[in-house]
Amino acid sequence: GDSVTQMEGPVTLSEEAFLTINCTYTATGYPSLFWYVQYPGEGLQLLLKATKADDKGSNKGFEATYRKETTSFHLEKGSVQVSDSAVYFCALSLTFRTNAGKSTFGDGTTLTVKP
Amino acid sequence: DGGITQSPKYLFRKEGQNVTLSCEQNLNHDAMYWYRQDPGQGLRLIYYSQIVNDFQKGDIAEGYSVSREKKESFPLTVTSAQKNPTAFYLCATRGYMNTEAFFGQGTRLTVV
Repeated sequence: GDSVTQMEGPVTLSEEAFLTINCTYTATGYPSLFWYVQYPGEGLQLLLKATKADDKGSNKGFEATYRKETTSFHLEKGSVQVSDSAVYFCALSLTFRTNAGKSTFGDGTTLTVKP
Repeated sequence: DGGITQSPKYLFRKEGQNVTLSCEQNLNHDAMYWYRQDPGQGLRLIYYSQIVNDFQKGDIAEGYSVSREKKESFPLTVTSAQKNPTAFYLCATRGYMNTEAFFGQGTRLTVV
């Protein structure tokens, strides 16, 4: 079945450090790939997405590139801020025809940024 | 405002009780999903529905039930058969023209 594996946490960084959270996937067909962010006590919010190979998703200084050859979608940010502290989920989804539009999520990576 | 409303935000259940979590959306999305989130873990799919009056079991449906009588609403009942119901429950929707899911703010259920 479809699966997403992401880097185990927690990750602790100092402000302005470089961030990488690794994510790899297995899927039948051609999935869309996502990074969601969750702040304490809240639901998930879409951070960025890519819908086909070699696409780069970007938002709020975060970036991730859809690499079909390595089945990866690593999240990066050049300079993290304290406000980036949250849990980050890598996810994939297929078409409604393929699997009812269900999403498959990684286990989440907790990021803490210290001043 | 367009969005997904989950209520209540916090819910306490006594042993042996059934409780119902509400999920309402005004995004006009056809598909709706319920996920369970436990500390330090990812999201696990409980039930999903693509159209009114139809729904399917997800990966962990035992001890839960749902209904989809209206497009806007997809309530989840946690029954007494669910032995470990304490968790954070998330409702999500997806439109056929979207690739991503949209999430509500969640309901935290605690057994007391």
